[in-house]
Amino acid sequence: DAGVTQSPTHLIKTRGQQVTLRCSPKSGHDTVSWYQQALGQGPQFIFQYYEEEERQRGNFPDRFSGHQFPNYSSELNVNALLLGDSALYLCASSLTPFINTGELFFGEGSRLTVL
Amino acid sequence: QKEVEQNSGPLSVPEGAIASLNCTYSDRVSQSFFWYRQYSGKSPELIMSIYSNGDKEDGRFTAQLNKASQYVSLLIRDSQPSDSATYLCAVNIQAGTALIFGKGTTLSVSS
Repeated sequence: DAGVTQSPTHLIKTRGQQVTLRCSPKSGHDTVSWYQQALGQGPQFIFQYYEEEERQRGNFPDRFSGHQFPNYSSELNVNALLLGDSALYLCASSLTPFINTGELFFGEGSRLTVL
Repeated sequence: QKEVEQNSGPLSVPEGAIASLNCTYSDRVSQSFFWYRQYSGKSPELIMSIYSNGDKEDGRFTAQLNKASQYVSLLIRDSQPSDSATYLCAVNIQAGTALIFGKGTTLSVSS
């Protein structure tokens, strides 16, 4: 049973560029959330997708956008990259959109470096 | 600003000792509480969840919740070197699966 898979694992971009990160949820999961984890910090919630719609959003600017596909996989897009966007981007999937019925399973993350 | 606070550590304990990790949160309406373990360079892994006041035990791990004091803790009994990791406290406030994480406490268990 494949867990949460993310791609790419590492990437380097320059300021002002755009990046797309991809996530396939754990089998049977229909809810995908994205988190940003800067070095030495805890993960910060970016947004959650369920039924192909953004259901919740954290305190991130509009440069961060996403999409969920009919097969439940998801993309995170970041435009106009800033040095401060350098971080580990974690995708998490769950059985339901509700925390008391859906444990979050995290992927191994995509390490983004912005130069 | 809803916050989750943890001591960053490092917390150093000898093998076989009890490690005690603490977490406080600012929002009184918090409903669900979680402890994640994160090894260096890896993703967070859920080790305990707790929803009501009191203690919850799972093997060597015990989570304790006191909503009146807005405090949640994790005890690790018979600590092993393999327990050396960063432990993240996370709190869910609103409906949905969005979690607010603390910065984590680094635990080092020496053999």
